[in-house]
Amino acid sequence: TQLLEQSPQFLSIQEGENLTVYCNSSSVFSSLQWYRQEPGEGPVLLVTVVTGGEVKKLKRLTFQFGDARKDSSLHITAAQPGDTGLYLCAGGPNDYKLSFGAGTTVTVRA
Amino acid sequence: SQTIHQWPATLVQPVGSPLSLECTVEGTSNPNLYWYRQAAGRGLQLLFYSVGIGQISSEVPQNLSASRPQDRQFILSSKKLLLSDSGFYLCAWSVAWGLAGHRSYEQYFGPGTRLTVT
Repeated sequence: TQLLEQSPQFLSIQEGENLTVYCNSSSVFSSLQWYRQEPGEGPVLLVTVVTGGEVKKLKRLTFQFGDARKDSSLHITAAQPGDTGLYLCAGGPNDYKLSFGAGTTVTVRA
Repeated sequence: SQTIHQWPATLVQPVGSPLSLECTVEGTSNPNLYWYRQAAGRGLQLLFYSVGIGQISSEVPQNLSASRPQDRQFILSSKKLLLSDSGFYLCAWSVAWGLAGHRSYEQYFGPGTRLTVT
């Protein structure tokens, strides 16, 4: 089983501040995904990164895949209350299953 | 477009009672299907996955079982619920994309079922 460690576990910031969430592993992943989940709902896919060193931007969210494809980060610029949620990273080798991190709970205060 | 349905949305069951949660997917063929359980505010524990009709792989030994009677239908069952079965159950589907050696299996989740065993 490939383990993904997310940090920090909890993050509480003021609206307008920036934040970064990290996802690390000792294993190499063929691809890595980030999801956001709101209370009582299923996770929603935000992005997939597949190439080492890849950077993807989704409005105020920036995702980076490490050069060695063992780690990833999610950076949010000028966070808004709508960014509040549980952020999950997930990675897969080359089969059907994904390994999920334990998640980072982000709270953006207005 | 693809849609995934789960029902019921919430369920309260006594210890020792049976369980049946259903998941269906529309708009895609031969998807991989998954059942997860999630503790409050935490990551996902994979319970079962299926790559085709009648093909079920179990990830965690427990008193739950899964079946896939049709291509786009996935059912999670139990004959006798335990208190520890309480949780948020999520169904998901995926299809592979990309070249061999660099395939990605993005998963798409249903709305979930909140199960409380009393």
